Amino acid sequence: NAGVTQTPKFQVLKTGQSMTLQCAQDMNHNSMYWYRQDPGMGLRLIYYSASEGTTDKGEVPNGYNVSRLNKREFSLRLESAAPSQTSVYFCATETGANSPLHFGNGTRLTVT
Amino acid sequence: QKEVEQNSGPLSVPEGAIASLNCTYSDRGSQSFFWYRQYSGKSPELIMFIYSNGDKEDGRFTAQLNKASQYVSLLIRDSQPSDSATYLCAVWVFSGGYNKLIFGAGTRLAVHP
Repeated sequence: NAGVTQTPKFQVLKTGQSMTLQCAQDMNHNSMYWYRQDPGMGLRLIYYSASEGTTDKGEVPNGYNVSRLNKREFSLRLESAAPSQTSVYFCATETGANSPLHFGNGTRLTVT
Repeated sequence: QKEVEQNSGPLSVPEGAIASLNCTYSDRGSQSFFWYRQYSGKSPELIMFIYSNGDKEDGRFTAQLNKASQYVSLLIRDSQPSDSATYLCAVWVFSGGYNKLIFGAGTRLAVHP
């Protein structure tokens, strides 16, 4: 049982390049989330998906797009990476309303 | 005012002592509260959750909730060097038209032998 799997684990991009962060879960959870974590700022919500086919903006959505391909997969795309997007990105799933989140292992992204 | 606030620390305690971590939140309607532990370079790991006023104990961990004061805390008894990590407080809030789990910036705990 892998839980929440994120790929890649590490990535270095040049400014202006694009990439997609992948997240897949085998926990059969409806809700999925993308957070970024920066030193001193805690975890900030980028986008979330309450169910297959729906996505909504979180606190810091600018510069990102998401796709909820099916119940298992929720991807995060950077169309034109900027140094301000250097961060650690976490995907998470939620067991139910007001329940805790379960996190993937994270993707460490550096934009130069 | 931030929605969830924690002292960034570091909080340094000797091995065997009680570590006390504190968190305040702004949304009076919040019903669910969580403590996560995060080791350096790793993802957050849920260690406690609490929904009702009072104390909840699980092994060496005790979560305390006071909704009137909008305050939630985590006590770690018999602290061990392996407890050294950043502890994140998280609260479900209704803001901007949707429910979201808001995290504090975390308190770094250092347990020294």
